Amino acid sequence: DAGVIQSPRHEVTEMGQEVTLRCKPISGHNSLFWYRQTMMRGLELLIYFNNNVPIDDSGMPEDRFSAKMPNASFSTLKIQPSEPRDSAVYFCASSPAGQGNNEQFFGPGTRLTVL
Amino acid sequence: AQKVTQAQTEISVVEKEDVTLDCVYETRDTTYYLFWYKQPPSGELVFLIRRNSFDEQNEISGRYSWNFQKSTSSFNFTITASQVVDSAVYFCALSEAWGNTPLVFGKGTRLSVIA
Repeated sequence: DAGVIQSPRHEVTEMGQEVTLRCKPISGHNSLFWYRQTMMRGLELLIYFNNNVPIDDSGMPEDRFSAKMPNASFSTLKIQPSEPRDSAVYFCASSPAGQGNNEQFFGPGTRLTVL
Repeated sequence: AQKVTQAQTEISVVEKEDVTLDCVYETRDTTYYLFWYKQPPSGELVFLIRRNSFDEQNEISGRYSWNFQKSTSSFNFTITASQVVDSAVYFCALSEAWGNTPLVFGKGTRLSVIA
């Protein structure tokens, strides 16, 4: 399997622009997570989906952030409008169904820089 | 609320030394999972181990070993005979036991192994 795929790997944009991050989970996995990593706050959950349904979006910073999962093989995280404080590495992870809480497989991340 | 504390921000050792990375967690759940992930300089997050709260047996995998002690809420990670390739940031994480739920990460410990 190709693993979790994220695109783009790097994104540089100007404040106020819309940014869309994309994620393709591992085939057959039924859970998908979006995390953000910053120096100040470390790794923190933004939102997660089970079977394409959003379960918890309490980590989404504000209304400028939105996430969708239209089908089992694709998810997007959108920031509109972007701000410099959104600069971070955004990770997508997926996890298979099964007993207990299974390990999450992470994508390579998208490094976002907002100027 | 769940919380993971990795008190060691940075550790530096000379190659072939043994090193232990500390992890202390807080949770009100009686059942839960603990994880360790490695983040090498390339930036990806690599899964190392998952352990459920019912299983307090120590685990060894090659040069890696983990010591889980519920009495002290700790899940420490030891690397024996460290190598330069072990240089990375190591994250301890905690999750609920049932279903695929988000990980709560510690702030990480940066390990530098010097040749």
